[in-house]
Amino acid sequence: GENVEQHPSTLSVQEGDSAVIKCTYSDSASNYFPWYKQELGKRPQLIIDIRSNVGEKKDQRIAVTLNKTAKHFSLHITETQPEDSAVYFCAASEITGGGNKLTFGTGTQLKVEL
Amino acid sequence: GAVVSQHPSRVICKSGTSVKIECRSLDFQATTMFWYRQFPKQSLMLMATSNEGSKATYEQGVEKDKFLINHASLTLSTLTVTSAHPEDSSFYICSARVRTMEKLFFGSGTQLSVL
Repeated sequence: GENVEQHPSTLSVQEGDSAVIKCTYSDSASNYFPWYKQELGKRPQLIIDIRSNVGEKKDQRIAVTLNKTAKHFSLHITETQPEDSAVYFCAASEITGGGNKLTFGTGTQLKVEL
Repeated sequence: GAVVSQHPSRVICKSGTSVKIECRSLDFQATTMFWYRQFPKQSLMLMATSNEGSKATYEQGVEKDKFLINHASLTLSTLTVTSAHPEDSSFYICSARVRTMEKLFFGSGTQLSVL
């Protein structure tokens, strides 16, 4: 099955700096890569996703890049703000007609300091 | 976006009791629902996948007789933790998907504490 590794496990940045979180996956059949933000005790919130036919996607301060050959994808947050502090999870799955089983990375605790 | 409602949000129970958690898709028909378990400061681990009208598919290491999943309609799935023990204490969260969509929508989660 799919295995997703995520680094770093914790990340502290100063407000206004950029933050980068990296993930690798093992299953070459995976073609959908979402990123979730989770605050303590809350549900994961989808913040951005990318499909394998695209190399980069951007939404305001958030961007995701995908390298299919190397099987890795990254989340980039620019101009970080204190409200960006949370746990971020990457995930990978193969989109099929019958299911969409997401395999999550281990998470990154992002802390944005004033 | 689509809304998934999960109840209860928090349960405290005695060891040996059974606990039922409900997950409803409020404004869409969820052909597939997934149940995850999350221990403190850890990732979400998939427990099982359920498709409406069929038996759930459990991940390796998850006891199907202990974690009963029912997906009787396109808008409701339930997870019953039978004879709960302290080691079952965890954050349980469901997610739902429409067949034609790739995005998953998560419920708000249930914090289960077994004394």
